[in-house]
Amino acid sequence: EAEVAQSPRYKITEKSQAVAFWCDPISGHATLYWYRQILGQGPELLVQFQDESVVDDSQLPKDRFSAERLKGVDSTLKIQPAELGDSAMYLCASSTPRDGYYEQYFGPGTRLTVT
Amino acid sequence: SQQGEEDPQALSIQEGENATMNCSYKTSINNLQWYRQNSGRGLVHLILIRSNEREKHSGRLRVTLDTSKKSSSLLITASRAADTASYFCATVFYGQNFVFGPGTRLSVLP
Repeated sequence: EAEVAQSPRYKITEKSQAVAFWCDPISGHATLYWYRQILGQGPELLVQFQDESVVDDSQLPKDRFSAERLKGVDSTLKIQPAELGDSAMYLCASSTPRDGYYEQYFGPGTRLTVT
Repeated sequence: SQQGEEDPQALSIQEGENATMNCSYKTSINNLQWYRQNSGRGLVHLILIRSNEREKHSGRLRVTLDTSKKSSSLLITASRAADTASYFCATVFYGQNFVFGPGTRLSVLP
């Protein structure tokens, strides 16, 4: 069964450093999401892509976060500079319509620790 | 702010018992979905219920939706230790606009 791939699985970085996460959605899925999940809480949307276009980035801290999906396939999320409060799980998901409805398929996530 | 709110925040039961968790939301939705997350992993889709449906079953899962009360419940029957996980409801307003709640942490004791 096709899966969403993410790398790295774990990342430890010092504050003020740059960090990047990669996501490869399920083939054919036009919609891609990046979420941040703080321990003990639900996922919060950072950015949503439809093909290569940003649909929603209203909750993305644009002073330090950037995201791109240049060819409408895989995507990169970058943080520069990282802050202690960025420590969280970063989840990527993709979706495609089925019977007119969308379900999300999640990758395993990247656990970021900022020291 | 998060739309869905799960209740309870945490639930501990014995293997074989039923587990019920609830989700409340504030505005009209297109559909509501439940997801499971094992510790340190990504979320897995469990079941989707449309706004015009009242109840849906999938294996040991039963989901209800009451749009007049803006609430949903997820029932897991005959729970197993492998059901230990966090469960999230996601309210979908239109198309692909998902909002996840804070989750219910379920522990099933052997």
